[in-house]
Amino acid sequence: ETGVTQSPTHLIKTRGQQVTLRCSSQSGHNTVSWYQQALGQGPQFIFQYYREEENGRGNFPPRFSGLQFPNYSSELNVNALELDDSALYLCASSFGLAPDYEQYFGPGTRLTVT
Amino acid sequence: GESVGLHLPTLSVQEGDNSIINCAYSNSASDYFIWYKQESGKGPQFIIDIRSNMDKRQGQRVTVLLNKTVKHLSLQIAATQPGDSAVYFCAENANYGQNFVFGPGTRLSVLP
Repeated sequence: ETGVTQSPTHLIKTRGQQVTLRCSSQSGHNTVSWYQQALGQGPQFIFQYYREEENGRGNFPPRFSGLQFPNYSSELNVNALELDDSALYLCASSFGLAPDYEQYFGPGTRLTVT
Repeated sequence: GESVGLHLPTLSVQEGDNSIINCAYSNSASDYFIWYKQESGKGPQFIIDIRSNMDKRQGQRVTVLLNKTVKHLSLQIAATQPGDSAVYFCAENANYGQNFVFGPGTRLSVLP
């Protein structure tokens, strides 16, 4: 196991609601990246936090937002949920920025929007 | 556990045979590549990486080949074992960016 944990494991939300997903990074890691993985597809980069600051963002709308805390754990918030937001949400932590440091992925949170 | 993909391309190999998984990448500026393995219910796991100044890199039972001319990457697994059954993704990255772009994935199924 990687030491990266995510909560909850699964959750079901209704369209229009808001959701917060949590990631606890591996000890000593200061960088967290979030990915969305739709069924049957590869992960898509949402954004990254490095030392509590956003450090890069993929092609996702502003209703996807995040935070990184002083202990380097992180949250992903999604507002105004849409059916297409149903996916596995992965976080990955590392000691620093790629490609110098390897990313370690958590097991993911499966979000279902009905 | 979670299913990581229901309609992925599938490669079926006999236990003990060698496997070759291919990946075409799109960005000619990409200079760093990773192969990941994803088992059901788990996040992607790093297997091996390669930078664009190399054509080949070997690890334990795995070899990655990079052909920049045709923007093609392959992962070779020697003596494939049942534990190798998983979905395999290539990921590319350019210019020290943090946005890794993942390919669509290939499901490897090892037959007894």
